Amino acid sequence: GAVVSQHPSWVICKSGTSVKIECRSLDFQATTMFWYRQFPKQSLMLMATSNEGSKATYEQGVEKDKFLINHASLTLSTLTVTSAHPEDSSFYICGGGGYNTGELFFGEGSRLTVL
Amino acid sequence: GIQVEQSPPDLILQEGANSTLRCNFSDSVNNLQWFHQNPWGQLINLFYIPSGTKQNGRLSATTVATERYSLLYISSSQTTDSGVYFCAVELGGTGRRALTFGSGTRLQVQP
Repeated sequence: GAVVSQHPSWVICKSGTSVKIECRSLDFQATTMFWYRQFPKQSLMLMATSNEGSKATYEQGVEKDKFLINHASLTLSTLTVTSAHPEDSSFYICGGGGYNTGELFFGEGSRLTVL
Repeated sequence: GIQVEQSPPDLILQEGANSTLRCNFSDSVNNLQWFHQNPWGQLINLFYIPSGTKQNGRLSATTVATERYSLLYISSSQTTDSGVYFCAVELGGTGRRALTFGSGTRLQVQP
């Protein structure tokens, strides 16, 4: 299957700072990547769809100015949490897949704690 | 949007027992996947199964797309099977490949 790598796995930051999370497709070209957020003991909720070379598509209720997504190459999508606050503390995970199959694969996830 | 319901929400098993997890979805789908989320949060792909039956070792899955449900069978459970099992679907007819996740089944296998 396709391999997706995410970095960092863990990040702790102070309130008001920005944090960047990287999502790389290691063995396929990702024209689209999906970013999800998961709060403790809850399911995964789609935040946005990252599109290579164009603007991301955000789900209703997700602030696009707070969660900046960049997808400048076919192997890298980034999510930047700007001016982070404690309520942004969560588990963020990205996923994607090649177009020869419909299966999606996910990175290891990034656990963000905002103090 | 599409609704994805999983049952049971929680399940406790003794090692060696068998179990069946269910996923119901409200609309036609292009894709259905089962995942196991380990304690570190990583999503492990179990099955890509928009229809039919597949088996992989002690696990098997069946999707009946016309009746809008899928089942995940775990046989001879082991403590390492503990974690959360998610069913996720891709809504059909939209061209969007994003998955909508169910609420999950939290499985605890006791020795």
